[in-house]
Amino acid sequence: EVQLVESGGGLVQPGGSLRLSCAVSGFSLSSFWMHWVRQAPGKGLVWVSSLNSDGRTTNYADSVKGRFTISRDNAKNTLFLQMNSLRAEDTAVYYCVRQRSNSLDYWGQGTLVTVSS
Amino acid sequence: QSALTQPPSASGSPGQSVTISCTGTSSDVGGSNYVSWYQQHPGKAPKLMIYEVTKRPSGVPDRFSGSKSGNTASLTVSGLLAEDEADYYCSSNAGSNNIAFGTGTKVTVL
Repeated sequence: EVQLVESGGGLVQPGGSLRLSCAVSGFSLSSFWMHWVRQAPGKGLVWVSSLNSDGRTTNYADSVKGRFTISRDNAKNTLFLQMNSLRAEDTAVYYCVRQRSNSLDYWGQGTLVTVSS
Repeated sequence: QSALTQPPSASGSPGQSVTISCTGTSSDVGGSNYVSWYQQHPGKAPKLMIYEVTKRPSGVPDRFSGSKSGNTASLTVSGLLAEDEADYYCSSNAGSNNIAFGTGTKVTVL
């Protein structure tokens, strides 16, 4: 059974850092493109970042470029999102998502990040 | 990285059909065969309902169907059920391995 479980969210002050983790099971990270998608409270879905199957190609939304870094640990089958210089507008539920057939077929339950003083 | 345009709301009575549009540009919807649709119930993660414009994942009822014409994709839900009441989002490849999502449509079953 495919499962994605995010962790690492919480309350952080503006300018602070947070590292999100996504532990996956039922498939190998090295076989799929993976994404982070976020959703601010009461708002729509916004794509944040992606990592290709061989782990060499990363992509970022303009709003997080230079501040967020996507990576993975194949041995632990875990995807990460390092978030630095956090802003109030980064407040959202962050979803870890698997890509297959050019669509996002499995989603985690999400982890809430709140940026506030 | 602009959002695709969807109507904020749509509604229908049980048994009726509702169609949701998703309008982009030739750089995303119009130039891509990779349009997807997601259903999201309150407090839950999104669920894939349609991929590659018209295809349904295993387990998704055939009441859900997708299509595309030019820069606009559409999702039709036929034979509306109470459980279909949810938010629906489209998405499309938007070049450079980016993904654009729609603004979202709240479907209400009257």
